[in-house]
Amino acid sequence: DADVTQTPRNRITKTGKRIMLECSQTKGHDRMYWYRQDPGLGLRLIYYSFDVKDINKGEISDGYSVSRQAQAKFSLSLESAIPNQTALYFCATSATSQRDEQFFGPGTRLTVL
Amino acid sequence: QKEVEQNSGPLSVPEGAIASLNCTYSDRGSQSFFWYRQYSGKSPELIMFIYSNGDKEDGRFTAQLNKASQYVSLLIRDSQPSDSATYLCAVNGAGRRALTFGSGTRLQVQP
Repeated sequence: DADVTQTPRNRITKTGKRIMLECSQTKGHDRMYWYRQDPGLGLRLIYYSFDVKDINKGEISDGYSVSRQAQAKFSLSLESAIPNQTALYFCATSATSQRDEQFFGPGTRLTVL
Repeated sequence: QKEVEQNSGPLSVPEGAIASLNCTYSDRGSQSFFWYRQYSGKSPELIMFIYSNGDKEDGRFTAQLNKASQYVSLLIRDSQPSDSATYLCAVNGAGRRALTFGSGTRLQVQP
């Protein structure tokens, strides 16, 4: 089945470490997104990319960077992790369309000590 | 004012009842509306989408859209304990390039 995968699924790290979360998809979608989810705050958009050369900041991009290595791969980096970046991180994809139906990966639970 | 608002709940309904979940949005030019279901610790799963005013039915789910009043709702008929989850409303606003999500309503279906 066409799918969205995320690695790692769980990660515990220390303050100041550099962390990379990876997302791959076999759906053939050109649009990819990174969200974080915190209890009571819903999903907040970190970065999104509509194709390999189009990368945009979302509402909470400070402290994060991304790389779109190929149409199917979109990585999120925390250059110097801090405890308030502890959250559940989701990657999502969608096909080019005004409708923007998004499909989510399984998530990465990140804990920064 | 949040762009997409939902009552956080929990909304508790007995098994077999109709659950009604509501969402309001602030961008009058919004064009696409989505409902996602999220079980605890899992990823959101798209269950309904609606683009035009009125009702859209899919099995036990009905999405209702009223653009004049800027609200979208989700009805779940014959609610089952397996429907217990958080339901996220998402909106694609005019000129926006990504969805805006509400914070979700937690639904509890009591056996």
